[in-house]
Amino acid sequence: EAQVTQNPRYLITVTGKKLTVTCSQNMNHEYMSWYRQDPGLGLRQIYYSMNVEVTDKGDVPEGYKVSRKEKRNFPLILESPSPNQTSLYFCASSFGTGANSPLHFGNGTRLTVT
Amino acid sequence: SQQGEEDPQALSIQEGENATMNCSYKTSINNLQWYRQNSGRGLVHLILIRSNEREKHSGRLRVTLDTSKKSSSLLITASRAADTASYFCATVLIQGAQKLVFGQGTRLTINP
Repeated sequence: EAQVTQNPRYLITVTGKKLTVTCSQNMNHEYMSWYRQDPGLGLRQIYYSMNVEVTDKGDVPEGYKVSRKEKRNFPLILESPSPNQTSLYFCASSFGTGANSPLHFGNGTRLTVT
Repeated sequence: SQQGEEDPQALSIQEGENATMNCSYKTSINNLQWYRQNSGRGLVHLILIRSNEREKHSGRLRVTLDTSKKSSSLLITASRAADTASYFCATVLIQGAQKLVFGQGTRLTINP
Protein backbone atom coordinates (compact mmCIF):
# COMPACT_ATOMS: atom_id res chain seq x y z
CA GLU A 1 0.00 0.00 0.00
CA ALA A 2 1.32 3.43 -0.98
CA GLN A 3 1.82 5.44 2.15
CA VAL A 4 3.79 7.91 4.22
CA THR A 5 4.67 6.51 7.61
CA GLN A 6 5.56 8.67 10.58
CA ASN A 7 6.74 7.52 13.97
CA PRO A 8 5.93 7.91 16.73
CA ARG A 9 2.25 8.95 16.67
CA TYR A 10 2.47 10.48 20.12
CA LEU A 11 5.51 11.77 21.98
CA ILE A 12 5.84 13.52 25.32
CA THR A 13 9.28 14.82 26.21
CA VAL A 14 11.02 17.39 28.35
CA THR A 15 12.73 20.61 27.37
CA GLY A 16 16.19 20.09 25.93
CA LYS A 17 16.03 16.35 25.31
CA LYS A 18 16.94 15.68 21.69
CA LEU A 19 14.40 13.76 19.66
CA THR A 20 13.85 12.51 16.14
CA VAL A 21 10.57 11.97 14.34
CA THR A 22 10.95 9.54 11.47
CA CYS A 23 9.21 9.72 8.11
CA SER A 24 9.33 7.15 5.36
CA GLN A 25 7.51 6.90 2.02
CA ASN A 26 7.27 3.91 -0.32
CA MET A 27 6.17 5.74 -3.47
CA ASN A 28 9.62 6.73 -4.78
CA HIS A 29 8.70 10.41 -4.42
CA GLU A 30 11.38 13.03 -4.98
CA TYR A 31 9.75 15.72 -2.85
CA MET A 32 9.27 15.47 0.91
CA SER A 33 8.25 18.08 3.43
CA TRP A 34 7.53 18.64 7.12
CA TYR A 35 4.66 20.76 8.43
CA ARG A 36 3.44 21.73 11.83
CA GLN A 37 -0.21 22.42 12.54
CA ASP A 38 -1.29 24.72 15.36
CA PRO A 39 -4.76 26.07 16.24
CA GLY A 40 -5.35 29.43 14.64
CA LEU A 41 -2.13 29.25 12.63
CA GLY A 42 -3.00 26.53 10.17
CA LEU A 43 -0.40 24.36 8.47
CA ARG A 44 3.10 25.83 8.25
CA GLN A 45 6.04 24.35 6.40
CA ILE A 46 9.18 23.63 8.42
CA TYR A 47 11.61 22.14 5.89
CA TYR A 48 11.38 20.49 2.53
CA SER A 49 13.56 18.38 0.29
CA MET A 50 13.51 18.27 -3.50
CA ASN A 51 15.64 15.11 -3.66
CA VAL A 52 18.41 13.19 -1.91
CA GLU A 53 20.89 15.51 -0.20
CA VAL A 54 18.82 18.57 -1.20
CA THR A 55 16.99 20.29 1.66
CA ASP A 56 15.76 23.82 2.22
CA LYS A 57 14.06 25.91 4.86
CA GLY A 58 10.34 26.43 4.89
CA ASP A 59 8.49 29.15 6.76
CA VAL A 60 9.29 28.11 10.34
CA PRO A 61 12.65 26.26 10.37
CA GLU A 62 14.05 27.60 13.65
CA GLY A 63 14.78 24.87 16.17
CA TYR A 64 14.55 22.03 13.63
CA LYS A 65 16.95 20.04 11.48
CA VAL A 66 16.36 17.55 8.70
CA SER A 67 18.40 15.21 6.56
CA ARG A 68 17.75 13.36 3.31
CA LYS A 69 20.36 10.67 2.93
CA GLU A 70 18.00 8.26 1.20
CA LYS A 71 15.08 8.96 -1.10
CA ARG A 72 12.52 7.25 1.12
CA ASN A 73 13.44 8.78 4.50
CA PHE A 74 13.20 12.34 5.77
CA PRO A 75 13.65 12.52 9.56
CA LEU A 76 12.86 15.65 11.56
CA ILE A 77 15.29 16.38 14.37
CA LEU A 78 14.72 18.63 17.36
CA GLU A 79 18.15 19.10 18.94
CA SER A 80 16.86 20.94 22.01
CA PRO A 81 13.05 20.91 22.11
CA SER A 82 11.21 23.76 23.78
CA PRO A 83 7.55 24.06 24.86
CA ASN A 84 6.74 26.28 21.85
CA GLN A 85 7.46 23.25 19.66
CA THR A 86 4.47 21.45 21.14
CA SER A 87 2.40 20.82 18.04
CA LEU A 88 0.97 18.33 15.58
CA TYR A 89 3.57 17.45 12.95
CA PHE A 90 2.98 16.07 9.48
CA CYS A 91 5.34 14.63 6.92
CA ALA A 92 4.27 14.70 3.28
CA SER A 93 5.65 13.60 -0.08
CA SER A 94 4.90 13.96 -3.78
CA PHE A 95 6.30 13.51 -7.24
CA GLY A 96 8.22 16.29 -8.88
CA THR A 97 8.58 19.60 -7.10
CA GLY A 98 5.65 19.18 -4.79
CA ALA A 99 3.81 22.06 -6.44
CA ASN A 100 2.06 20.37 -9.35
CA SER A 101 1.36 17.00 -7.83
CA PRO A 102 -0.84 16.04 -4.89
CA LEU A 103 0.85 15.80 -1.52
CA HIS A 104 0.53 12.51 0.37
CA PHE A 105 0.47 13.02 4.12
CA GLY A 106 1.41 10.81 7.03
CA ASN A 107 -0.97 10.43 9.96
CA GLY A 108 0.84 12.90 12.12
CA THR A 109 2.95 13.01 15.27
CA ARG A 110 1.53 14.80 18.28
CA LEU A 111 4.46 16.21 20.23
CA THR A 112 4.23 17.65 23.72
CA VAL A 113 7.28 19.35 25.23
CA THR A 114 7.06 20.09 28.96
CA SER B 1 -1.50 36.81 6.49
CA GLN B 2 -2.37 33.52 4.75
CA GLN B 3 -2.34 33.39 0.95
CA GLY B 4 -5.45 31.25 0.95
CA GLU B 5 -8.34 31.98 3.28
CA GLU B 6 -11.36 29.73 3.55
CA ASP B 7 -14.86 30.92 4.21
CA PRO B 8 -16.77 30.11 6.31
CA GLN B 9 -14.53 29.00 9.17
CA ALA B 10 -17.20 26.54 10.26
CA LEU B 11 -20.27 25.11 8.55
CA SER B 12 -22.95 22.82 9.95
CA ILE B 13 -25.63 21.27 7.71
CA GLN B 14 -28.04 18.36 7.64
CA GLU B 15 -27.16 15.12 5.93
CA GLY B 16 -28.26 15.15 2.32
CA GLU B 17 -27.80 18.91 1.87
CA ASN B 18 -25.10 20.44 -0.26
CA ALA B 19 -22.08 22.09 1.35
CA THR B 20 -20.20 24.97 -0.26
CA MET B 21 -16.86 26.26 0.96
CA ASN B 22 -14.95 29.16 -0.52
CA CYS B 23 -11.29 30.03 -0.77
CA SER B 24 -9.84 33.42 -1.62
CA TYR B 25 -6.22 34.15 -2.36
CA LYS B 26 -4.12 37.24 -2.89
CA THR B 27 -1.55 36.68 -5.64
CA SER B 28 -1.50 34.88 -8.98
CA ILE B 29 -1.34 31.13 -8.73
CA ASN B 30 -0.10 28.17 -10.74
CA ASN B 31 -2.70 25.81 -9.34
CA LEU B 32 -5.04 25.40 -6.39
CA GLN B 33 -5.64 22.22 -4.43
CA TRP B 34 -8.28 21.11 -1.96
CA TYR B 35 -7.56 18.74 0.91
CA ARG B 36 -9.68 17.07 3.59
CA GLN B 37 -8.55 16.37 7.14
CA ASN B 38 -10.40 14.10 9.52
CA SER B 39 -9.86 15.04 13.14
CA GLY B 40 -6.23 14.63 14.16
CA ARG B 41 -5.31 12.75 10.98
CA GLY B 42 -3.22 13.60 7.94
CA LEU B 43 -4.60 15.62 5.07
CA VAL B 44 -5.99 13.79 2.06
CA HIS B 45 -5.82 15.30 -1.40
CA LEU B 46 -9.20 15.84 -3.08
CA ILE B 47 -8.78 17.85 -6.28
CA LEU B 48 -6.12 19.91 -8.09
CA ILE B 49 -7.31 22.63 -10.46
CA ARG B 50 -4.87 24.49 -12.66
CA SER B 51 -4.99 28.21 -13.32
CA ASN B 52 -6.26 27.68 -16.89
CA GLU B 53 -9.17 25.50 -15.73
CA ARG B 54 -12.52 26.78 -14.51
CA GLU B 55 -14.22 23.70 -13.13
CA LYS B 56 -13.40 20.12 -12.13
CA HIS B 57 -15.50 17.27 -10.83
CA SER B 58 -14.70 14.19 -8.79
CA GLY B 59 -17.64 12.10 -7.65
CA ARG B 60 -19.77 14.31 -5.40
CA LEU B 61 -17.15 17.06 -5.40
CA ARG B 62 -17.19 20.06 -7.70
CA VAL B 63 -14.45 22.68 -7.65
CA THR B 64 -14.57 25.99 -9.47
CA LEU B 65 -11.81 28.52 -9.98
CA ASP B 66 -12.26 32.18 -10.86
CA THR B 67 -8.81 33.69 -11.39
CA SER B 68 -10.26 37.16 -12.05
CA LYS B 69 -11.77 37.16 -8.56
CA LYS B 70 -8.91 35.14 -7.07
CA SER B 71 -11.33 32.68 -5.57
CA SER B 72 -12.29 29.02 -5.62
CA SER B 73 -15.21 27.06 -4.27
CA LEU B 74 -15.64 23.45 -3.22
CA LEU B 75 -19.13 22.01 -3.47
CA ILE B 76 -20.00 18.69 -1.83
CA THR B 77 -23.36 17.43 -3.02
CA ALA B 78 -25.69 15.11 -1.11
CA SER B 79 -23.56 15.32 2.01
CA ARG B 80 -23.00 12.31 4.29
CA ALA B 81 -21.98 12.02 7.93
CA ALA B 82 -18.60 10.72 6.72
CA ASP B 83 -17.96 14.10 5.03
CA THR B 84 -17.55 15.66 8.48
CA ALA B 85 -13.98 17.00 8.41
CA SER B 86 -11.91 20.12 7.91
CA TYR B 87 -11.34 21.24 4.34
CA PHE B 88 -8.30 23.22 3.25
CA CYS B 89 -7.41 25.01 0.09
CA ALA B 90 -3.76 25.28 -0.85
CA THR B 91 -2.27 27.46 -3.55
CA VAL B 92 0.94 27.34 -5.53
CA LEU B 93 2.18 30.81 -6.36
CA ILE B 94 3.51 31.67 -9.82
CA GLN B 95 6.31 33.74 -8.32
CA GLY B 96 8.89 32.49 -5.88
CA ALA B 97 9.38 29.02 -4.45
CA GLN B 98 7.12 26.43 -5.95
CA LYS B 99 5.38 25.20 -2.84
CA LEU B 100 1.90 24.81 -1.43
CA VAL B 101 0.59 27.48 0.94
CA PHE B 102 -2.35 26.29 3.01
CA GLY B 103 -5.31 28.23 4.31
CA GLN B 104 -6.66 27.70 7.80
CA GLY B 105 -9.54 25.54 6.73
CA THR B 106 -13.31 25.22 7.00
CA ARG B 107 -14.66 22.90 9.67
CA LEU B 108 -17.63 21.04 8.14
CA THR B 109 -20.11 19.16 10.35
CA ILE B 110 -22.79 16.98 8.79
CA ASN B 111 -25.67 16.32 11.18
CA PRO B 112 -27.54 13.01 10.76
